[in-house]
Amino acid sequence: QVQLQESGPGLVKPSQTLSLTCTVSGGSINNNYYYWSWVRQPAGKGLEWIGRLYTSGTTNYNPSLNGRVTMSADTSKNQFSLSLTSVTAADTAVYYCARTPLFDWLPIRGIDVWGQGTTVTVSS
Amino acid sequence: DIVLSQFPDSLAVSLGEGATITCKSSQSVFHTSNNKNFLSWYQQKPGQPPKLLIYWASTRESGVPDRFSGSGSGTDFTLTINSLQAEDVAVYYCHQYYSVPLAFGGGTKVEIK
Repeated sequence: QVQLQESGPGLVKPSQTLSLTCTVSGGSINNNYYYWSWVRQPAGKGLEWIGRLYTSGTTNYNPSLNGRVTMSADTSKNQFSLSLTSVTAADTAVYYCARTPLFDWLPIRGIDVWGQGTTVTVSS
Repeated sequence: DIVLSQFPDSLAVSLGEGATITCKSSQSVFHTSNNKNFLSWYQQKPGQPPKLLIYWASTRESGVPDRFSGSGSGTDFTLTINSLQAEDVAVYYCHQYYSVPLAFGGGTKVEIK
């Protein structure tokens, strides 16, 4: 049974870069059967899709984040990561990594596995 | 970009009664390649990640009680909870995985009356 676990600093200073890693256990990320996403949720608010990564290298990001997002994968460690630059207090949220299964490169079932989430606070 | 609008923002339902949540998409999420609606529903309880309930707009995820059902096509979708149980108290979200940027509805909070 695949599990996802987020890790990274819980506190980031304004204008700095937020960096998170998602470690996948119970299955390999190095295949074309899934894409891997980051989703965030400010306290008491709804879910915001940040972006997705195919391990082939293709990425898609939410334009609302104004080009501040980069996602990458380290298949040797079975991990994928998120980098968000120039953070402000508005980036304070719980960050989730997540998996979406694919069939013939099309997503099926939406997001079917989520990490437990990690809280990131942006504050000086 | 596709925008998902959920209604209502919250609702209070008596135990054993039904609850209906609506999700309206600003564009169709019906994919002609496989004749499926790329829309899913999630349940989120406090302190937990969302849990997949429904995908393809109407297919129940394995292990989800059959009192949860989804319907709709194109731009209009509904999540119905029949005979609400205490453990169904949560926030429910719709999600479109048809096109980027992917998006979630604003959420509907379901409480016990």
